[in-house]
Amino acid sequence: KNEVEQSPQNLTAQEGEFITINCSYSVGISALHWLQQHPGGGIVSLFMLSSGKKKHGRLIATINIQEKHSSLHITASHPRDSAVYICAVKTSGTYKYIFGTGTRLKVLA
Amino acid sequence: EPEVTQTPSHQVTQMGQEVILRCVPISNHLYFYWYRQILGQKVEFLVSFYNNEISEKSEIFDDQFSVERPDGSNFTLKIRSTKLEDSAMYFCASSEGEWGTQYFGPGTRLTVL
Repeated sequence: KNEVEQSPQNLTAQEGEFITINCSYSVGISALHWLQQHPGGGIVSLFMLSSGKKKHGRLIATINIQEKHSSLHITASHPRDSAVYICAVKTSGTYKYIFGTGTRLKVLA
Repeated sequence: EPEVTQTPSHQVTQMGQEVILRCVPISNHLYFYWYRQILGQKVEFLVSFYNNEISEKSEIFDDQFSVERPDGSNFTLKIRSTKLEDSAMYFCASSEGEWGTQYFGPGTRLTVL
């Protein structure tokens, strides 16, 4: 079983829809990152969370440390949001990162 | 806007050869990372580097791998004797602090024949 699980693996949405991507982890963490991998392969960091909630534009990320769960929400989705969204955790007391397998999002116009 | 750069963008090598992948992190960043992504698979952590030494390495980062910051700007990953299974995209990243946003380079695609 993967230490970091994401769901769904694939998601197709219509433009304008509200999207939720989930990440659950089974290890102790000190931080959780949400990353976006573009179709060309480039990776961009979206958020780093250790507690609570962060918002940037149409993106919202939340984390529940007790439940070992994080969600990434995209409001008013747009075709340019089409990408792979990756959850990565920094394990407690280390500089080591464990990545999820990613959620492939396609937003249709 | 400052960015992380990596060279070469694509490297083709024969099995058993040594390769050096180069990264130039953002200039005021202090924490450096290498990751790899085998085609169609998830990103994997290789190593983190701070204060001129390895702070953490994964099980993948065996004796065939080494990292170096030979001067104030470059951060290199060396694979001594490449294997077919080393074929992957290698990403370098840097951050200002331990808890800072990581900025990723565009990656080097390594193909081992």
